[in-house]
Amino acid sequence: DTEVTQTPKHLVMGMTNKKSLKCEQHMGHRAMYWYKQKAKKPPELMFVYSYEKLSINESVPSRFSPECPNSSLLNLHLHALQPEDSALYLCASSQDRTFRTEAFFGQGTRLTVV
Amino acid sequence: QKEVEQNSGPLSVPEGAIASLNCTYSDRGSQSFFWYRQYSGKSPELIMFIYSNGDKEDGRFTAQLNKASQYVSLLIRDSQPSDSATYLCAVLIMIYNQGGKLIFGQGTELSVKP
Repeated sequence: DTEVTQTPKHLVMGMTNKKSLKCEQHMGHRAMYWYKQKAKKPPELMFVYSYEKLSINESVPSRFSPECPNSSLLNLHLHALQPEDSALYLCASSQDRTFRTEAFFGQGTRLTVV
Repeated sequence: QKEVEQNSGPLSVPEGAIASLNCTYSDRGSQSFFWYRQYSGKSPELIMFIYSNGDKEDGRFTAQLNKASQYVSLLIRDSQPSDSATYLCAVLIMIYNQGGKLIFGQGTELSVKP
């Protein structure tokens, strides 16, 4: 099983709303990632969790708040977003503390901020 | 200098030909390398992963890694119209005590003409 599951697949939210994106994997991976991807651009790293601890934050605005409740689950809490935050949000996972690991992506959440 | 560089394309090849995609990277600490295929509006799909110098073959795909030249390539034999997509090169950079960062190139758009 190489599946990373993201929910919801689509989300429309207003600028005053609070919403959450969810990501789940059952491959025993201990590194989990959030990426943001705009049209015609490559995925851009936002956060990395290593063994359920936030290890890398790529200077992401505080309106994005990640959370890793356990080794299988990763959330991204959204609050007071701007229209320019509309994008495809991707979750990925891999083994941690080794470079001999594949990295798999979920299907993504298409977020529209209105 | 960007960390991971690819020709943006588009690269156009006739059906049945070999498509050759190239990627260079700047960080000599990079340890593993990925090729993802991404169809428009979809998430990246892992098609090849390599961490040792030399060639790795999987079906119609061959990845070639040359760490001395900081170069990784992807060959697609017997190209099919269904191979038309954007191909993303990614590099895993391990950071001491922080886990890994998966960094992407800009992607190469491949078009296979029937």
